[in-house]
Amino acid sequence: GAGVSQTPSNKVTEKGKYVELRCDPISGHTALYWYRQSLGQGPEFLIYFQGTGAADDSGLPNDRFFAVRPEGSVSTLKIQRTERGDSAVYLCASSGERGEAFFGQGTRLTVV
Amino acid sequence: GNSVTQMEGPVTLSEEAFLTINCTYTATGYPSLFWYVQYPGEGLQLLLKATKADDKGSNKGFEATYRKETTSFHLEKGSVQVSDSAVYFCALFETNSGYALNFGKGTSLLVTP
Repeated sequence: GAGVSQTPSNKVTEKGKYVELRCDPISGHTALYWYRQSLGQGPEFLIYFQGTGAADDSGLPNDRFFAVRPEGSVSTLKIQRTERGDSAVYLCASSGERGEAFFGQGTRLTVV
Repeated sequence: GNSVTQMEGPVTLSEEAFLTINCTYTATGYPSLFWYVQYPGEGLQLLLKATKADDKGSNKGFEATYRKETTSFHLEKGSVQVSDSAVYFCALFETNSGYALNFGKGTSLLVTP
């Protein structure tokens, strides 16, 4: 597609529920990143995919967070047993050239 | 580990004023450096980049020079416009430390008419 697409744009969920956030990267981009941005902060790295595999998942805060990219294109970030502290904007980016990432608009997750 | 430090905002300037947003970094090797911009209600966009020492990145009147001796990548613009009001993020990329872009906390810029 023309850009990185993230769905939904907004998600409100109850504490303890499970959520999935979707990212459609730019066609042909092999690298895909997930970041989390809290209010007034810079993006915080979560996980990086090169193709189908997670090349670096060192930013995932705990085992409630998991991400997949089964066919090397669309990725899903999964959060189990959501907590209020998970509330943030979740950003996805893809890259076709080392380091030059193109970001989606983000999914604003609110856990109530 | 790698990190990026930006000057704290918010920065408020009058239209046509000169802008400098400071950015310094720590890295173990030879990173690429970036400035991203986030306009109100929009996603992050790449503004400019530099991949090696002494490179100058430029775009939309903004410039930044990769200074290895001072580990800096300060963003400058000679004459800001109201439309430049946004949050600016300095970022570093180096594969030695994984594959992540490391971002600063961001500097909010408000340009008044």
